Amino acid sequence: EIVLTQSPGTLSLSPGERATLSCRASQTVSTTYLTWYQQKPGQAPRLLVFGASNRAAGIPDRFSGSGSGTDFTLTISRLEPEDFAVYYCQHYGSSPPYSFGQGTKLEIK
Amino acid sequence: VQLVESGGGLVQPGGSLRLSCAASGFGLSSYRMNWVRQAPGKGLEWVAQISITSSTIYYADSVKGRFTISRDNTKNSLFLHVNSLRAEDTAVYYCARREEYSRGGSYYYGMDVWGRGTTVIVSS
Repeated sequence: EIVLTQSPGTLSLSPGERATLSCRASQTVSTTYLTWYQQKPGQAPRLLVFGASNRAAGIPDRFSGSGSGTDFTLTISRLEPEDFAVYYCQHYGSSPPYSFGQGTKLEIK
Repeated sequence: VQLVESGGGLVQPGGSLRLSCAASGFGLSSYRMNWVRQAPGKGLEWVAQISITSSTIYYADSVKGRFTISRDNTKNSLFLHVNSLRAEDTAVYYCARREEYSRGGSYYYGMDVWGRGTTVIVSS
């Protein structure tokens, strides 16, 4: 089973700043299978990125995903007030389990 | 395009429930479907996935043998039968659609449509 570890647990930044969120896998993960989600309080998760670096429909271009092997990153270039939320990476591969990371909370500083 | 879950509630340990997920705005029969849960104040946990024809089903180890995922494409509905419930099964249960994306000859996957969830509380 692939274990995904996200860091930091909490990231405190101000609007306009750049956010860098990390997702590290316990073993090599194909970029094909790495996804990122955003979740706001009381809401369902929203797909942001699939295939490590492809933005889902309607996702602003300030969100970008990168990485390969065991290290993946979600970058938000200039934070907007609506970006403060919890972010999860997931290994959504060819066979289960389709594990999620524990999440990174992005909060307003 | 929408998914709406129902069937959650308060149940005693050892009890059972049937969760439902109704799809609208698209044909469920074209997609693999998932259940994902979230315990109070915790992260997301994938629970189960079912293929279009129900021929391939996967479960998380934590629910294997107790939960059963099923679907009725004629009714555009997905189900999760949850049995032998434990306190640690307390969570919001979401259904989610698996979308497939083609880019440069490669295929990618993501859960692109989610319901708002139904809450299961296991307590005596």
